[in-house]
Amino acid sequence: QQQVKQSPQSLIVQKGGISIINCAYENTAFDYFPWYQQFPGKGPALLIAIRPDVSEKKEGRFTISFNKSAKQFSLHIMDSQPGDSATYFCAASMGSWGKLQFGAGTQVVVTP
Amino acid sequence: GAVVSQHPSRVICKSGTSVKIECRSLDFQATTMFWYRQFPKQSLMLMATSNEGSKATYEQGVEKDKFLINHASLTLSTLTVTSAHPEDSSFYICSAPDRGPRGNTIYFGEGSWLTVV
Repeated sequence: QQQVKQSPQSLIVQKGGISIINCAYENTAFDYFPWYQQFPGKGPALLIAIRPDVSEKKEGRFTISFNKSAKQFSLHIMDSQPGDSATYFCAASMGSWGKLQFGAGTQVVVTP
Repeated sequence: GAVVSQHPSRVICKSGTSVKIECRSLDFQATTMFWYRQFPKQSLMLMATSNEGSKATYEQGVEKDKFLINHASLTLSTLTVTSAHPEDSSFYICSAPDRGPRGNTIYFGEGSWLTVV
């Protein structure tokens, strides 16, 4: 049973547009929510992460919105660029630090 | 630059042989590391937690005798796929949490492609 549900499975957005990826979780013990970017044949790279005591975190063009009561969090990629074309994974971790549960992933394609 | 390094990045082995994959934390100590497996176009599935100086903890359904994990030092964990079969062909990725001055961050290695022929 997947502990973190991610949608959509894939996303096509025009250059300059906003990419939005959503994740939901059930386990309220999760206390760390990172987003990873993965290019084909490479390991995941940390983009941005948030903890439940914060509702929003922004780093450059990437923003995480966190809704603790709804047990949902989302990634917004502003001003999407072709170089952002990759697979994005949300994840969650609790207690045992570093043991991540991953969402299914979203393949983002940014068209020129 | 990379803070978690994996070696080899690609390996091809014959069916029935064993292959070892290394995961190193380059500039921090990691008492715990994690091993994941990823099939094409799928998510990362946690295989096991590697603990320095003690036995690894395996996730349900992962054969511990097939996927041997050794965490020999604070910067090195190894995954050995024993008696490999074609179905073991996959992308294996390790991660390590850094609780140092950079803040609590989980870094991933570049991954190791295993092909069993």
